[in-house]
This record gives sequence, C-alpha cells and structure tokens, in this order.
Amino acid sequence: DAKTTQPTSMDCAEGRAANLPCNHSTISGNEYVYWYRQIHSQGPQYIIHGLKNNETNEMASLIITEDRKSSTLILPHATLRDTAVYYCIVSLDTGRRALTFGSGTRLQVQP
Amino acid sequence: GAVVSQHPSWVICKSGTSVKIECRSLDFQATTMFWYRQFPKQSLMLMATSNEGSKATYEQGVEKDKFLINHASLTLSTLTVTSAHPEDSSFYICSAIPGLAGAYEQYFGPGTRLTVT
Repeated sequence: DAKTTQPTSMDCAEGRAANLPCNHSTISGNEYVYWYRQIHSQGPQYIIHGLKNNETNEMASLIITEDRKSSTLILPHATLRDTAVYYCIVSLDTGRRALTFGSGTRLQVQP
Repeated sequence: GAVVSQHPSWVICKSGTSVKIECRSLDFQATTMFWYRQFPKQSLMLMATSNEGSKATYEQGVEKDKFLINHASLTLSTLTVTSAHPEDSSFYICSAIPGLAGAYEQYFGPGTRLTVT
C-alpha cells in the first residue's frame, strides 16, 4: 500500500467546515483512497473512499486531485462529536485486506 | 452498518496470567478477522490475520505462542494473551470483513483495554 502523509493536528471551529489534507504521491492506478476515523478509546470507523472522482456521503466529502497524488476530506459542518484522529489510507480494498495506519491527523473541534 | 463486538471492554490482570479477548461479528459472517494493537498515543498496528478454520497469520515481531488466536466460527475470533506482562498492556482492537464481492468497508470492534499489573 502506498504511504500517506497527513498533518499531525488541526483545529476547527464548531459549525465550520473541516478540511483535512492527505498526500499520497506514490499511489498506484488501482489503489483507492480511504478515510477512517478513531474517536478516543474506540475502534476506527469508516468514513468514505474514492478512486479518482470526488465522492460525497452523509458524513463527508472526498476531493481527490486530478493526478491523484493528494486528497482532502471535508466535514461540512463540524460538531464536537467529530473530534477524533482521522486516518487517510491508500489500499486496493479495505473490505478484503488489513489496514496500514499512519499517524493520522488529530482534529480538535472547538466550541 | 454492521456491528462488531468485543468482550471484555477492559480487563486488569496480574503478571503471568492469561487473558482471553473475544471478537464477534453480530450481524454478518466474517471469513477474516484482524487483530490490531494500539499503545498510548500511537497508531494501530496489525498483529495478526485470523481466518475461519485455519491458522492465524502473524505479523513480524508478534509472538504466535504468546498471542494465541482462534477463529472457530464465522462470527467469533478469540485472542488469548498468555503469560501476560506489563509490556503487554495495550488497547486491543479487532476488525472483521464480510468477504463479500464489492464489500469495501472494514468493521471494527470497540476495543479491549488490557492492563497487566
């Protein structure tokens, strides 16, 4: 799986959009970009994934650059419950393979 | 979404004793389950892959005789930490995958916090 680079931490005001970047310059053509998050002392939770098109679901949006070397996870209206560590993972298929977790981004949503 | 449970959620044991942690997929069959370990302020590290009906595959550096994994059914995998020592104190998390075509999500349990005194 390709390596990813994320900022160590970010702050966001409650109600504002949280934009979490991820660099994955060595991603291969058939690898997907996945995002999971881990709220303190809980198991990780899937958020969203994409191959090359932008994706949106009820939790977040995923913007992938045209060259696929970076992506941004967007939480449109962050709440205090979104405070967590967010992991950007590049994988062929997390539904079939173990995940390789980097250090992730610790997002602190401020009231 | 699919639910994975772990039991116990936390356990304290004395050094030298063994502890068993259960991981169950509650509403789907999981041909494969994974066991991860997370030390304080660190990321999750894969320990082993558990396949139903076969021996587990351990990651490099993980002692298979110390961390016994049994995946006896499609809904249950167990991790037994044998002769536990304080350095085994950690947050143990399992995950499960349905093994269905097109499945993309991995489902994680809530974790088990082990403290060895």
